[in-house]
Amino acid sequence: AQSVTQPDIHITVSEGASLELRCNYSYGATPYLFWYVQSPGQGLQLLLKYFSGDTLVQGIKGFEAEFKRSQSSFNLRKPSVHWSDAAEYFCAVTTDSWGKLQFGAGTQVVVTP
Amino acid sequence: SAVISQKPSRDICQRGTSLTIQCQVDSQVTMMFWYRQQPGQSLTLIATANQGSEATYESGFVIDKFPISRPNLTFSTLTVSNMSPEDSSIYLCSVEGVNTEAFFGQGTRLTVV
Repeated sequence: AQSVTQPDIHITVSEGASLELRCNYSYGATPYLFWYVQSPGQGLQLLLKYFSGDTLVQGIKGFEAEFKRSQSSFNLRKPSVHWSDAAEYFCAVTTDSWGKLQFGAGTQVVVTP
Repeated sequence: SAVISQKPSRDICQRGTSLTIQCQVDSQVTMMFWYRQQPGQSLTLIATANQGSEATYESGFVIDKFPISRPNLTFSTLTVSNMSPEDSSIYLCSVEGVNTEAFFGQGTRLTVV
């Protein structure tokens, strides 16, 4: 069955430290991959996406993600987190329409001073 | 980018009643999508709504419980029928943008008492 896994439910990171959020998928073919952020009381905002080409993708707010086909992973990274990065982060995939998404369970990021 | 307005933003409803959620987009779009986010959970696709045809429902969701209308290319409604406390969730509308990303409304936070 197709699945998207975010192994970490909750991550606490100090402000200024690096952040990495994991995402693994199980699909027959390479899907389209996305990372969304949901801040408290807000809708979802797209951070970045991967369709093909360069496996290191740059996004907004200083985030980047690396697609690794051999590991079926699409991990999100940020070199130095800011307090405003505290939010819930969702990995999402699709094999057809980019509006019809399957979401991972989400990772809650807490940023400490 | 597409701007999506959802109404109401939140509501508290009595069990057994129905609530209709509206989704308005500032541009014409082919497909609109409705998602549910149960408390502390990820997003799950309820259905895809195309203008001029019946909505396509995902496994576990039925038209009698979640009737959807799509009268034109900028508007859709989702009704949550015969509500129970288990229907307490955030319901989100989304659309496909032209640049291979999906845009989401702010969501409707529904509490059933």
